Amino acid sequence: DAKTTQPPSMDCAEGRAANLPCNHSTISGNEYVYWYRQIHSQGPQYIIHGLKNNETNEMASLIITEDRKSSTLILPHATLRDTAVYYCIVRVATGNTGTASKLTFGTGTRLQVTL
Amino acid sequence: EAGVAQSPRYKIIEKRQSVAFWCNPISGHATLYWYQQILGQGPKLLIQFQNNGVVDDSQLPKDRFSAERLKGVDSTLKIQPAKLEDSAVYLCASSSGRGLRAGELFFGEGSRLTVL
Repeated sequence: DAKTTQPPSMDCAEGRAANLPCNHSTISGNEYVYWYRQIHSQGPQYIIHGLKNNETNEMASLIITEDRKSSTLILPHATLRDTAVYYCIVRVATGNTGTASKLTFGTGTRLQVTL
Repeated sequence: EAGVAQSPRYKIIEKRQSVAFWCNPISGHATLYWYQQILGQGPKLLIQFQNNGVVDDSQLPKDRFSAERLKGVDSTLKIQPAKLEDSAVYLCASSSGRGLRAGELFFGEGSRLTVL
């Protein structure tokens, strides 16, 4: 799986948009971009994923550049409950045998949302 | 829908003792993962099961760690003998393993192990 680079930490004021960048310059054509977050003392939580088109769901938006070498996770109106470590991961959808390929976590970005 | 269940939530043992963790995945999920998360680091995959078969155990320290998933449902992860560096949170996750949703993993709350 391709390696990702994320800033170690970011701050965001409550109510403002949080824009979390991720660099994945070595991404392959068949690799998807996944975002997870981990709130303190909990297991990671899936947020969103995409291949090359921008994606939006009830939690966030994912913007992938045209060359797919970087992406941005956007939390449109951050709240204190969004304080967490956010992981950007790239992976193929399935492995060679057709089974689910593994998810490799880096160290992520620690987002602190403040009043 | 019930989530991924793990037990125990906390365990404290002395080095060289043994410990076992149990995981019950979401009903119908074919793929089950065990991750180890050391404080300050991201989760590291230890082993991945597809039904009751092992897909990837390349990072499992097989001299002391073992895992099984009998009948393709529940799973146990065992450490024997434990070392100080095994102190970590052990996370179990499951996914349906199908198509694009294969990357949507559902994690349990984890089992925190402290080795003294």
